[in-house]
Parts: sequence; C-alpha cells; structure tokens
Amino acid sequence: EAGVTQFPSHSVIEKGQTVTLRCDPISGHDNLYWYRRVMGKEIKFLLHFVKESKQDESGMPNNRFLAERTGGTYSTLKVQPAELEDSGVYFCASSQDSYSRNIQYFGAGTRLSVL
Amino acid sequence: QQQVKQSPQSLIVQKGGIPIINCAYENTAFDYFPWYQQFPGKGPALLIAIRPDVSEKKEGRFTISFNKSAKQFSLHIMDSQPGDSATYFCAASKSGYNKLIFGAGTRLAVHP
Repeated sequence: EAGVTQFPSHSVIEKGQTVTLRCDPISGHDNLYWYRRVMGKEIKFLLHFVKESKQDESGMPNNRFLAERTGGTYSTLKVQPAELEDSGVYFCASSQDSYSRNIQYFGAGTRLSVL
Repeated sequence: QQQVKQSPQSLIVQKGGIPIINCAYENTAFDYFPWYQQFPGKGPALLIAIRPDVSEKKEGRFTISFNKSAKQFSLHIMDSQPGDSATYFCAASKSGYNKLIFGAGTRLAVHP
C-alpha cells in the first residue's frame, strides 16, 4: 500500500513568488494534516482536514497560506507571496478514522527554500 | 511558547550503549505521547507511544518511561545499533484532538 506522498520534494523560489505543495494521503484516510519544521526547531502543526472540511487551522501562520482538500482526497498548500521566513520542511500526514486519529503517518516532506 | 521540551539536542553513543532522550510537557490535558523516528530524506515514522495510565512501555529494544507527576517521559534504546542513527522526536496530544505538539528533536549517532 502506498504511503503519504508529497510533491515536490524540494522547491526553491524567490521571495514574492507563489508555491503550491501537494499531498496525497494514504487511500481511505479521512484525516489529513499539514506540519512545518523550520531548521533545527520543532515540527509545528499548521492545520487539519477531516475529509474536505477544515477541522483545525489554528497553526496557519497568516493569510499568505491557503490550504485546500479537493473532494476529500489530495490536499494543496499554497504560499502566496512567499517570504524568507517561510523556508522549511513542510510535512503532510494522514490518519485513518476517529478511533485511531492519533496514529499519524507522515510523508517525506517538501523542502521549501525562499531566496 | 514551546509546550514540549526535548533534550538533548544531539547524542553520540557507542554501539551497544543505551541512549536516553528526555521530554517534558506543560499541559496536563495531554494524554497521548508518541515518539517518532526520522531518517534523512524520509518523513517521521511512529516508533512507540504511551498513554498516562501506564508508567512504562516496551517494544523490542525501545522503552518509554512515563512520570505523570513530573510531567516527563523518556525514550531508552537498549543495545543501540548504528542503524538506530536518526533524529528522534517526542510529541504529545490531547484526547479528542488531533494535532501533535512536537519537541525540537534529538539527533542520535550510534558509532560502531
């Protein structure tokens, strides 16, 4: 069974540009999460989808970040316009259902470098 | 504010040694404490997890010790191997909620 996949694995953009990250969760997983790790620091929660609905977006840093989950399947995270402090590794995770919602499976991440 | 504090930041042990990684949390509402292991180029993978109704949990060479009164938990790796070299993250979450609150990570190197 395929795990959580993320595209691209690495993105380098100029300040002010737009970047879109994509996450494909494990098939059948209703819960999808986005996290971010800035170099050397903790992995920080950004938001959580249950199917296509945003359950918790308390970690989204500002309105330059927009997350969507089309039809409750894959999700995208758009950063527009990107700033230097947005650099880091963006992780996506998914989990199966409410009973096991703490067991989150992570993708390999997208490393975003804003120059 | 950092709700889960992890130490040390890095750790070097010899093969067969027992590295210990410590975490402390602040929020007494947390009731699920997983440890994740991350290899370079990969995402974090769940290693072992504990709930506060037990003080210790073992899975193979990995043991979590949990001290509810001190709000601390730790990971012990018995008979460590070079293949255990990775970054380890502790985390915590509240029952009914989904977001994981992570520590800053510990980079472990096990030398042959």
